[in-house]
Amino acid sequence: AQSVTQLDSHVSVSEGTPVLLRCNYSSSYSPSLFWYVQHPNKGLQLLLKYTSAATLVKGINGFEAEFKKSETSFHLTKPSAHMSDAAEYFCVVSDLDAGNMLTFGGGTRLMVKP
Amino acid sequence: KAGVTQTPRYLIKTRGQQVTLSCSPISGHRSVSWYQQTPGQGLQFLFEYFSETQRNKGNFPGRFSGRQFSNSRSEMNVSTLELGDSALYLCASSLVTPGRGIDTQYFGPGTRLTVL
Repeated sequence: AQSVTQLDSHVSVSEGTPVLLRCNYSSSYSPSLFWYVQHPNKGLQLLLKYTSAATLVKGINGFEAEFKKSETSFHLTKPSAHMSDAAEYFCVVSDLDAGNMLTFGGGTRLMVKP
Repeated sequence: KAGVTQTPRYLIKTRGQQVTLSCSPISGHRSVSWYQQTPGQGLQFLFEYFSETQRNKGNFPGRFSGRQFSNSRSEMNVSTLELGDSALYLCASSLVTPGRGIDTQYFGPGTRLTVL
């Protein structure tokens, strides 16, 4: 069985400061892990994907995430927040046992203060 | 390439009615998955269709059903609507490449269903 826990439901940062959104996962097999972003009244946009090729994954808009198997974590970071980063972020896991089914974390709402 | 499209974008129905939502995947994508998003339950997997066959199903009652056509377009149907069915319904498509592991799913903008 697979599951995802996003450790913070809300994160608030100032523009220009680093962003850290935390995610822990559980999976019976070697998982694929994703981060998606959802802006208000929009669908989900893929930020980045981990598939065991490299533990540090770079995504769009300056985001990156590091896969740490020993800690079962896949935290999302960005060196400098921008106002346009304000949105809801979802950590997602899938493994071969689940077919094409994605399991979502509860989401983290990122607020960026000017 | 055009992205995933969903129609309609907004729907208002009353309890007991039924509703059909439509999803057109990215050209060449053969798998379509459906998800329900609510404030209380978050994002939950409904079902997945591949080559016109339901390949995987989430933990939803039988009132939720779907199908896929030969051109990979998919529809989902909810019968006997309940207030709790009010949600954003998201469709996602993926390529499905044998032997390539988990495919990336690309999401449409969703259909916002309100049940009164």
